[in-house]
Order: sequence, then C-alpha cells, then structure tokens
Amino acid sequence: GDSVTQMEGPVTLSEEAFLTINCTYTATGYPSLFWYVQYPGEGLQLLLKATKADDKGSNKGFEATYRKETTSFHLEKGSVQVSDSAVYFCALSDRINDYKLSFGAGTTVTVRA
Amino acid sequence: NAGVTQTPKFRVLKTGQSMTLLCAQDMNHEYMYWYRQDPGMGLRLIHYSVGEGTTAKGEVPDGYNVSRLKKQNFLLGLESAAPSQTSVYFCASIVGPMNTEAFFGQGTRLTVV
Repeated sequence: GDSVTQMEGPVTLSEEAFLTINCTYTATGYPSLFWYVQYPGEGLQLLLKATKADDKGSNKGFEATYRKETTSFHLEKGSVQVSDSAVYFCALSDRINDYKLSFGAGTTVTVRA
Repeated sequence: NAGVTQTPKFRVLKTGQSMTLLCAQDMNHEYMYWYRQDPGMGLRLIHYSVGEGTTAKGEVPDGYNVSRLKKQNFLLGLESAAPSQTSVYFCASIVGPMNTEAFFGQGTRLTVV
C-alpha cells in the first residue's frame, strides 16, 4: 500500500537558518503530494501541494518539488522564523484510494531567536 | 465561514463508557475522514465517507463506528471505550476529485482512564 517516510525530528534551528525536511513515498498509482503544518493546539492546515511529477509547490517561503524518479518531496525554506515552529507532516493521496491521506510520522521543528 | 467543527474538544471517559464525536462541515464537501493522532505515528485513518449515506473502514477501524446520515455531519462512535483509544481525534473533509486539499477540524483530545 501507499506509505510516506519523513525525516525524524526534533529539529532545532536558529532564526534565519536553512530548513530542509526529507520525505520519500511509496505509491502504486499517481498520487498528489502534500505538506501539512500543525501549530501547537491546532488542527492541520495545508502548507503546499503538488499534483504531478516535476510540479513545485510553494507557500510562505516554503518549497517542495515532486520528484517521481526519486519518489521524494523534500520541504525547504531558506530563512526560517520563530513563527515557523510547528510539526510538519508529509502526506499523499490518490484517487484509487478515495483520496485518503497517508501521513509520515511528522517532524517537530523549533526555531530559536 | 466555520469550516470543519469538532465537538467536544476535550473528554475524559472511563473504560467501558460510550461516546460520540461530532464533525460538522459547512463547505458542502463530499468526502469526510476520521483520523487519530498518536505520538510518533502521524495520523492514522479510522473510517471515512465518500458521500452522504456511505461509510468505509480505514487503517484502524476496530472499536469505532461511524455514520453519515447528513452530508454535512460525520459521527464517530466509541461503543465501549478502552485506554488504547486515548488519542487526539481529527476530522477532515475534501471537496472531491477536483480539489483534494483536506480541511481539518481543531481536534478532540480523548482520555480513557
């Protein structure tokens, strides 16, 4: 079945540092890929998405590129802020699975001033 | 626009008690999902629905039942709560195939003692 593996945390960074969180996936079909973010005490919200190979999703300075050849969707941000402290989840969904989301375990990111 | 609303937000149950979690969405979404979030395990799908009157099992359905009598509501029931069901429960919905971005509720933190 479909699965997602993402870099384990926690990750602690200083403000303005470069952030990368690795994510790889296994899927039988042609999934859409997502990064969701969860701030403390809140539900998940979509950060960015890509629906086909070579698509780049971007939002709030974060980027991720759908790499079919390496089955990866790594999240990057060039200069993090304290407000980026959150848990980040890589996920995929596919039409053949009724768009059920398969999630990675989540990566906790803490940015220090 | 309320989006996805879950009630209650917190609950403590004794082993063997029953309860129902309510998820309501006002976006006219077709697909709805119940997930549980446990530390280090990401989110796992319990049950889901692809439309009014339909339900299907997810990855971890045992001990839970669901109903979708109205399109806007998706109920998750625990007939006889067990300590292993202590978790944070999230409801999510998507429009359908044309837009698979998932919208999440704020979560229900359930403790079974």
